[in-house]
Amino acid sequence: SAVISQKPSRDICQRGTSLTIQCQVDSQVTMMFWYRQQPGQSLTLIATANQGSEATYESGFVIDKFPISRPNLTFSTLTVSNMSPEDSSIYLCSVEGDRGRYEQFFGPGTRLTVL
Amino acid sequence: GNSVTQMEGPVTLSEEAFLTINCTYTATGYPSLFWYVQYPGEGLQLLLKATKADDKGSNKGFEATYRKETTSFHLEKGSVQVSDSAVYFCALSEINFNKFYFGSGTKLNVKP
Repeated sequence: SAVISQKPSRDICQRGTSLTIQCQVDSQVTMMFWYRQQPGQSLTLIATANQGSEATYESGFVIDKFPISRPNLTFSTLTVSNMSPEDSSIYLCSVEGDRGRYEQFFGPGTRLTVL
Repeated sequence: GNSVTQMEGPVTLSEEAFLTINCTYTATGYPSLFWYVQYPGEGLQLLLKATKADDKGSNKGFEATYRKETTSFHLEKGSVQVSDSAVYFCALSEINFNKFYFGSGTKLNVKP
């Protein structure tokens, strides 16, 4: 299984600012995923990020609000732009499992609070 | 479309009690089914999975059987421990789309 780290682990931000979350994997992976987990709720997929191409966003999420970079096969960033209190969530990155598309491994998450 | 429904929590049990967390799904194709666990302050960890009908996934004393006829994947454990206290998520993935759908999560509290 892949070992995934995220930075920062948590942050408190002011309304209208932006935060960039980093996700680092200890092995090369083709696909990386970004999820949002709002308080007391389940995970919702924000976008899928492949190296060398534009991220694919799910319905309800747009690139202007959640720009994603994927510069190489072990790293990705998600930016939460022009934040509002409704963006307060845990943001998780995940990667595909080694054995193909049967499972995903998750990072520890970034807990974001917007005041 | 695809969706996962799991029983609402929290579920509170005494140590050594029997656990069942219900999960049902709706899928357009032939999904794989998963249970993930999230311990306090941590990310999600894969607990077990099943990739086809009648498969049984098992790990750490937990098990779940993929029931196509009832579109269910209920999680069970014969004797829970305090250390099992966590939030449990049922999920499905359709292979061709490599996309996961998660249930709402069920919080389990185990008291000594």
